[in-house]
Amino acid sequence: GENVEQHPSTLSVQEGDSAVIKCTYSDSASNYFPWYKQELGKGPQLIIDIRSNVGEKKDQRIAVTLNKTAKHFSLHITETQPEDSAVYFCAAYSGGYQKVTFGIGTKLQVIP
Amino acid sequence: GAVVSQHPSRVICKSGTSVKIECRSLDFQATTMFWYRQFPKKSLMLMATSNEGSKATYEQGVEKDKFLINHASLTLSTLTVTSAHPEDSSFYICSASRASGGTGELFFGEGSRLTVL
Repeated sequence: GENVEQHPSTLSVQEGDSAVIKCTYSDSASNYFPWYKQELGKGPQLIIDIRSNVGEKKDQRIAVTLNKTAKHFSLHITETQPEDSAVYFCAAYSGGYQKVTFGIGTKLQVIP
Repeated sequence: GAVVSQHPSRVICKSGTSVKIECRSLDFQATTMFWYRQFPKKSLMLMATSNEGSKATYEQGVEKDKFLINHASLTLSTLTVTSAHPEDSSFYICSASRASGGTGELFFGEGSRLTVL
């Protein structure tokens, strides 16, 4: 089955700096890679995603890059703000089945 | 956007009782919903896949008689924790996929915090 590794587990940055979270996956058949933001006591919310036929996707301050050869993908948050503080999960979908494998999560703290 | 609603958000029950958690897709039909359990500071653990009109598919190690799942309509799935015990205390989250065929993105509910006394 799919194995998704995520790091770092915790990340502290100063407000305005950039934050980068990296994930690797094992199943070369995986073709969809979403990122979720989970605030305390709430369910995960999709913030950005990327499919295997694309190398990079950007949405305002958030971007995701995918390297299919190396089987890794990364979340980039620029100009971080205190409200970006949350736990971020990466995930990988294996094609043909609705099961998604999550990374262990990264707790991001943006220091004002 | 797609909205998934979970109810209740918090529930406290006595040991031995059963608790039902509802997961509703409010503005789309979901042929498949998923139930997860999340321990403190941990990732989401898939418990089961709920298919409308058929039996749920449980992940290895999840007791199907303990965690009853019913997906009676295209917008509602329920998880019943039967004869709950303190070790069942956890954060339970559901998600739903809007697209048929299993390739659509997942939309998550707000989660339900279960505390068993």
